[in-house]
Amino acid sequence: AQKVTQAQTEISVVEKEDVTLDCVYETRDTTYYLFWYKQPPSGELVFLIRRNSFDEQNEISGRYSWNFQKSTSSFNFTITASQVVDSAVYFCALSEVSTSGTYKYIFGTGTRLKVLA
Amino acid sequence: DSGVTQTPKHLITATGQRVTLRCSPRSGDLSVYWYQQSLDQGLQFLIQYYNGEERAKGNILERFSAQQFPDLHSELNLSSLELGDSALYFCASSPYGGEGGYTFGSGTRLTVV
Repeated sequence: AQKVTQAQTEISVVEKEDVTLDCVYETRDTTYYLFWYKQPPSGELVFLIRRNSFDEQNEISGRYSWNFQKSTSSFNFTITASQVVDSAVYFCALSEVSTSGTYKYIFGTGTRLKVLA
Repeated sequence: DSGVTQTPKHLITATGQRVTLRCSPRSGDLSVYWYQQSLDQGLQFLIQYYNGEERAKGNILERFSAQQFPDLHSELNLSSLELGDSALYFCASSPYGGEGGYTFGSGTRLTVV
């Protein structure tokens, strides 16, 4: 069965430090999708990135970057020069194809990031 | 604003009661998904509807049911509520089968007392 592991329950950093959030997944599918979502204190889930299994290129978006490595089944997320506004819970998610052919997503347990001023 | 609208935002009710949570998907999206986020279980997939039909089922209790109406809005009905049902309930939508990911609503926080 599909599984997503976010081993880091909580991370605290001081503003301007770089921080990496780990995500390890298990799947038997050859085609799958991985996501990162951010949940700030207000509670909503904010989409950050989607990656399909055929695209192992790393991606950078401003201070955010993602490192996808199929060989280690990892999809790690790095925030460079962290800011207080980055404080949130971050979730990694993995697609699972249902019997009807549609996709549902399995979420990791989340990593709470606290950025201290 | 994500385009997915959930009402109400907060709900407090007593054990044994029944509540209905409502979700309006983003314009043009045919699929609606329901997730439950509780402190001890994390984000759990409950159920998915596509254009009015149930397409996938997750860890949804028998006391819970959902439907998607012809105008594509969806309702999640929770009955015989227990303290453990207190959670944040998210609705999400996608254009078709969800391979492009979801857009989540802001959630309904249910407190059972």
